Amino acid sequence: AQTVTQSQPEMSVQEAETVTLSCTYDTSESDYYLFWYKQPPSRQMILVIRQEAYKQQNATENRFSVNFQKAAKSFSLKISDSQLGDAAMYFCAYRRLWVVFGQGTRLTINP
Amino acid sequence: KAGVTQTPRYLIKTRGQQVTLSCSPISGHRSVSWYQQTPGQGLQFLFEYFSETQRNKGNFPGRFSGRQFSNSRSEMNVSTLELGDSALYLCASSGERGREETQYFGPGTRLLVL
Repeated sequence: AQTVTQSQPEMSVQEAETVTLSCTYDTSESDYYLFWYKQPPSRQMILVIRQEAYKQQNATENRFSVNFQKAAKSFSLKISDSQLGDAAMYFCAYRRLWVVFGQGTRLTINP
Repeated sequence: KAGVTQTPRYLIKTRGQQVTLSCSPISGHRSVSWYQQTPGQGLQFLFEYFSETQRNKGNFPGRFSGRQFSNSRSEMNVSTLELGDSALYLCASSGERGREETQYFGPGTRLLVL
């Protein structure tokens, strides 16, 4: 069965600095999708970024970028110029037939 | 486009009762998935419906069931509620052309079982 592991339950960063959230996954498939979602406190789950496994190029969305290492089964999220609004629970997710989520990383932004 | 909507947003039930939750996907999306989110177990996949047919099912007991209508709206039913069913139930829709695998989530229904 596919599993997704986020080894950092909590992280904090100073406003305007850069932070990297880690994610590893386990699969025997070669064709799949990876996602990062953010869930602010008591608010809706929002898609941050998606990556197609067959694409070697790392996805980027404004201040958010990923480091996708397929052989290592690693998919980290880098947030540049952190803002107070980035504070949330971040979930790494893998999709083949359905979506499997990691346990989440709670990100705190210090002003 | 309007996002995924879920009703009701909050619900309180007692053990043994049953509950029905509703989800309206983004217009044009034909796939709806349901997830249970709890502090202990995290986010767990319940089932996915596509064109009124259950396409995938997670590892939940038969008390959890769902269906999808011809307009892609979906309902989830939990019968004989247990205290452990207290959770946030999230619905997600997908089907955007070129990004069919990408799911967009609703705000969730928070269910409390007493």
